[in-house]
Amino acid sequence: DSGVTQTPKHLITATGQRVTLRCSPRSGDLSVYWYQQSLDQGLQFLIQYYNGEERAKGNILERFSAQQFPDLHSELNLSSLELGDSALYFCASGASGNTGELFFGEGSRLTVL
Amino acid sequence: DQQVKQNSPSLSVQEGRISILNCDYTNSMFDYFLWYKKYPAEGPTFLISISSIKDKNEDGRFTVFLNKSAKHLSLHIVPSQPGDSAVYFCAAQPSNSGGSNYKLTFGKGTLLTVNP
Repeated sequence: DSGVTQTPKHLITATGQRVTLRCSPRSGDLSVYWYQQSLDQGLQFLIQYYNGEERAKGNILERFSAQQFPDLHSELNLSSLELGDSALYFCASGASGNTGELFFGEGSRLTVL
Repeated sequence: DQQVKQNSPSLSVQEGRISILNCDYTNSMFDYFLWYKKYPAEGPTFLISISSIKDKNEDGRFTVFLNKSAKHLSLHIVPSQPGDSAVYFCAAQPSNSGGSNYKLTFGKGTLLTVNP
């Protein structure tokens, strides 16, 4: 158990819809990272938040947005969903000062039909 | 443009033998490298890392080797066990990461199967 909690584990929705994925980081971790893993792809970095503020942005589409709340949990909002958005979405957290060791949740599997 | 490449999608070895997983990178700004292991239906878990100031780091059965001039790293597992069967991701981090973790770049992963 990594200590990172993601909900929901599975989500099936239709094209054009909007979904919200939720992540609670490990206790004490200030950073939250979102990654996308599509079929046959590695983990693609989407966005990082640190203590409520956006810290880094990767290959995140404009239809996607995220935020981190005062209690440090984070939400990833995916809108105007397309078939190609079907993927595993991972949240990870890590303590400040660590070098690269992230703790991943089990992921949210999104299927867009 | 893939900055971290794992060219072997899969590898199969016999129990007790050595498993060697390879990874190449193109970005010379990367200076910290990690391996993550992922079982089905679970998130990736950190396995071992190496800083660019070293060429080898060992942790039990796992050893990571770094060849900076070739921009290549490898993970050796000796002896391999059936429980090592998983997807292994190579990841890299740039030197301008600052005081917090920052934008790890992952390879596509290699599925290792260790046969009893």
